[in-house]
Order: sequence, then C-alpha cells, then structure tokens
Amino acid sequence: RKEVEQDPGPFNVPEGATVAFNCTYSNSASQSFFWYRQDCRKEPKLLMSVYSSGNEDGRFTAQLNRASQYISLLIRDSKLSDSATYLCVVNSYNQGGKLIFGQGTELSVKP
Amino acid sequence: NAGVTQTPKFQVLKTGQSMTLQCAQDMNHNSMYWYRQDPGMGLRLIYYSASEGTTDKGEVPNGYNVSRLNKREFSLRLESAAPSQTSVYFCASSDGGMGYQPQHFGDGTRLSIL
Repeated sequence: RKEVEQDPGPFNVPEGATVAFNCTYSNSASQSFFWYRQDCRKEPKLLMSVYSSGNEDGRFTAQLNRASQYISLLIRDSKLSDSATYLCVVNSYNQGGKLIFGQGTELSVKP
Repeated sequence: NAGVTQTPKFQVLKTGQSMTLQCAQDMNHNSMYWYRQDPGMGLRLIYYSASEGTTDKGEVPNGYNVSRLNKREFSLRLESAAPSQTSVYFCASSDGGMGYQPQHFGDGTRLSIL
C-alpha cells in the first residue's frame, strides 16, 4: 500500500463548479499535512497547510480526518486558472520525518 | 526575493558524461532536498540534507551524489549519466525540523540523457 494515495483523475468540471479531492495516508503517526498545486510540470507550489480543525483560504477548504486517515480539499466556484495537478503531502515518521508526496489529482476546469 | 534557484534550467548530456546540478536558497532554511519527477511516478526523493554538514539517501539515490556546500547551497552530481536519469529535477528547502514545515521548490532542471 502506498503511503499517500490520491485519485489521479482527471476531474473535468465546468467553471463555477465545486470539486472535492480526497487523499488517504497509511501512517497514523503522521503530523503534518499539506496541499500543493503543480502546473504542467512546473515546480510544485504550496497551496495550503491542513490543520486538525480544518482551514479555509478563500475558495479553498482543507479538512483532516485522523480517525479515517484522510485529507480533503474542496474548491468552490472553480476558475479556469484552477486547472492544475493537486498534490497531497504527508510527513512520514518512519522515514525521519520526510514529506511524502502523492502522485497528484489532475483538475481541468472548462469554460 | 529569489527563494530557491536552480541552474541550469535545461541540459542535454550524452551517456557517460558527468554534470552537477546547482541549487541555492536565500531563505536561511536548514533542510534541503533533491527530487526527480518522471511521468506517472510523482516526486521521488533522491537525497536530502537535514542541516548543514549532513546528507542522507532518499528513495532513489543510486547514480547520484550530493554536496551540502554551506547552508545556502546543495548540489547534485551525476557521475556517469544514463538514459534512465532523464527526468525533471527539483531542489527544495524547508525551515525547522524535517517534515513539520512545507517545502519550497525551485523551478526545476530538465535533463535529457541521450
């Protein structure tokens, strides 16, 4: 089982739609969680950290469910510019705390 | 406000040639990392340096060496390039203890080995 698993997509949605991504992680001792976005083989960029209580940044909401070991990202009112690959990232205590990157979920927002 | 700077941006090598990929960060971060990204494989950690003076192997270290020259700079060397090393290479850095803080990435080196 992979340490971090994501639905690869692609998710094809119209502008204005709400879309949700889920990510599961295998190490119950993980403490840090992040969402990154990556545009067409450019560098990954931090979108937001994920906190236990859940957090929101504009149209983006991240949730953490420790009991079920999954993280979610909700994007409301999708824009064309949201088209990208979204990477779920979790730290791995049994690998010295290194961050483990999921393979990413591709989102395509259409006019 | 450069962040993480990688050089070169593109490189084409012949099999057996050697080269060094350079990375420098100006954020005073303790930890630095080298990843490779191949289609369908996601980011894979090659080597990392938790602090100045230390380096450790990641998931795919074979065929590579690294040097943490000082706190700012972390280089990746291919001693004898092979076609399997054709990839996009990203350098990253992070503050604080490893895994607690997000990593900040350079814009990558696109490397082709013929």
